[in-house]
Amino acid sequence: DADVTQTPRNRITKTGKRIMLECSQTKGHDRMYWYRQDPGLGLQLIYYSFDVKDINKGEISDGYSVSRQAQAKFSLSLESAIPNQTALYFCATSDAGRPYNEQFFGPGTRLTVL
Amino acid sequence: GQQVMQIPQYQHVQEGEDFTTYCNSSTTLSNIQWYKQRPGGHPVFLIQLVKSGEVKKQKRLTFQFGEAKKNSSLHITATQTTDVGTYFCAGPSDAGGTSYGKLTFGQGTILTVHP
Repeated sequence: DADVTQTPRNRITKTGKRIMLECSQTKGHDRMYWYRQDPGLGLQLIYYSFDVKDINKGEISDGYSVSRQAQAKFSLSLESAIPNQTALYFCATSDAGRPYNEQFFGPGTRLTVL
Repeated sequence: GQQVMQIPQYQHVQEGEDFTTYCNSSTTLSNIQWYKQRPGGHPVFLIQLVKSGEVKKQKRLTFQFGEAKKNSSLHITATQTTDVGTYFCAGPSDAGGTSYGKLTFGQGTILTVHP
């Protein structure tokens, strides 16, 4: 089945460490997104990409960077993790060919920064 | 910037009771989407509404899009324990509504159903 996968699923790290979260998809979608979820705050967009050559900042990009290595892969990096980046992170994709395109989410990565 | 507000934040119901969550946007939306996130899971697309005043049903779930296309609601009739989770509404973030596929999500309503 076409799917969106994320690795790792859980990660505990220490303040100041560099962390990379990876997302892969087999849906063939051009558009990929990274979200952060905190209790009571919904889903906040960190970065989004509409193709390999297109990277855009979302609402809360400070402290994060991304890499779109291929159409199917979109990685999120925390250059120097801090405790308030403890959250649940979701990758999502959507199909540019659909006029009102729903997003398909990966299973999420739970990140804890100590 | 665009804001999407969702109320209530929490709702506790007895199994069999009805449930409604409301979504309000600061701007007119070209469409609105609803997602459900089960506890420990990820958001899953439920439905999309496009037309002013549109009403769609999925079994016990009824979705409405306001006449002004700035608000929406999700109503669940006779809740079941399988309905537990967080329900999010989402509207297009970009001007024009569809060009970039970006969504602004409401904060979500967490539904708890007591058997």
